[in-house]
Amino acid sequence: EDKVVQSPLSLVVHEGDTVTLNCSYEVTNFRSLLWYKQEKKAPTFLFMLTSSGIEKKSGRLSSILDKKELFSILNITATQTGDSAVYLCAVGYGGSQGNLIFGKGTKLSVKP
Amino acid sequence: KAGVTQTPRYLIKTRGQQVTLSCSPISGHRSVSWYQQTPGQGLQFLFEYFSETQRNKGNFPGRFSGRQFSNSRSEMNVSTLELGDSALYLCASSFLQGRTGELFFGEGSRLTVL
Repeated sequence: EDKVVQSPLSLVVHEGDTVTLNCSYEVTNFRSLLWYKQEKKAPTFLFMLTSSGIEKKSGRLSSILDKKELFSILNITATQTGDSAVYLCAVGYGGSQGNLIFGKGTKLSVKP
Repeated sequence: KAGVTQTPRYLIKTRGQQVTLSCSPISGHRSVSWYQQTPGQGLQFLFEYFSETQRNKGNFPGRFSGRQFSNSRSEMNVSTLELGDSALYLCASSFLQGRTGELFFGEGSRLTVL
């Protein structure tokens, strides 16, 4: 059965800390791995990764994919209270655009 | 550019009733997907529509159905509601050019079944 597993499930840090969120997957016909941030309702897109070893960066956030070991990490440096959210990892597979398998998310709380 | 719009935002129903939720995708987006989000199961795929055709369906009972109109707007329907159907229902749209994989989500419809 296809699955996406995220760890840890929750994390509490202080402003300025660096955090690493993990996502492992076992999905047939893997196409892409995506990271989303969900603060209240609508998940918002962060990154899409399709190739191993190529880091994607956006400000203090970065992510990398390892297709051999079937995992991805999301790094957040110099965390801020505004980074508090649930971070979702999702895997796209086959030829479908809209069918993603989501992990259960990592709830990050950043304390001032 | 307006985002994905879902209506209603909140609704309360009783067991046995049915409900219809609506989703208007971003202008120009032709693909619409629906997800159910619960604390225990997380986000689970319901179905995906493109050009008024259902392309994929998740592992949900037949009480869950949907459709897409010629203007790409989509509706989903849940019949004979059960307590376990209480959830946040999220709609997402994408622009099918290449295979970007990026979905744009609406803020969801929060359904409570009593």
